[in-house]
Amino acid sequence: NAGVMQNPRHLVRRRGQEARLRCSPMKGHSHVYWYRQLPEEGLKFMVYLQKENIIDESGMPKERFSAEFPKEGPSILRIQQVVRGDSAAYFCASSPRGTSGDTDTQYFGPGTRLTVL
Amino acid sequence: AQKITQTQPGMFVQEKEAVTLDCTYDTSDPSYGLFWYKQPSSGEMIFLIYQGSYDQQNATEGRYSLNFQKARKSANLVISASQLGDSAMYFCAINSNYQLIWGAGTKLIIKP
Repeated sequence: NAGVMQNPRHLVRRRGQEARLRCSPMKGHSHVYWYRQLPEEGLKFMVYLQKENIIDESGMPKERFSAEFPKEGPSILRIQQVVRGDSAAYFCASSPRGTSGDTDTQYFGPGTRLTVL
Repeated sequence: AQKITQTQPGMFVQEKEAVTLDCTYDTSDPSYGLFWYKQPSSGEMIFLIYQGSYDQQNATEGRYSLNFQKARKSANLVISASQLGDSAMYFCAINSNYQLIWGAGTKLIIKP
């Protein structure tokens, strides 16, 4: 069952360090989405990518956060100089095509729980 | 702007009873999709059911059904014959320009 893979599942960083979160989409899916979930809240959209392209990054903080989905390999969400407020669960989802209107479902990975000390 | 409202922060239901989780939405898009996801205590996000705005019939998936009332802008999730394993957070979401907009969730606890 080749679902969406995320690693690591848990990541601990000290303030000021960098966090790299990886996501491998489901087989056959070329669209990747990143979301952040704070405790006791729903998910908040961060960024939508296709291979080698950022399609919509309207939910990404302007500084310290970046995302990529290279031609080969997983999608990476990178957080530089982490602060305590970055502590959250980060979810990656994939779909076979972009979900706009009555189209495809997004399937989620297990998430990465980032803790900033 | 799109918005999802889930008015039930928590619910307790007796095992084997049916349960309805409420979801209302607001959107100006003529075409949209509504989704329900389950998040157990282990943390993963599990897709349950999808309803397209132009679908004539309410969606069903096993014990899950979606009571879609377009004029009222509601998309309630109905779980029939609840089981202990149904205890989890349940989120309603609507798609808008490729992203999903999420409600705050309902915590469902099934009592034995």
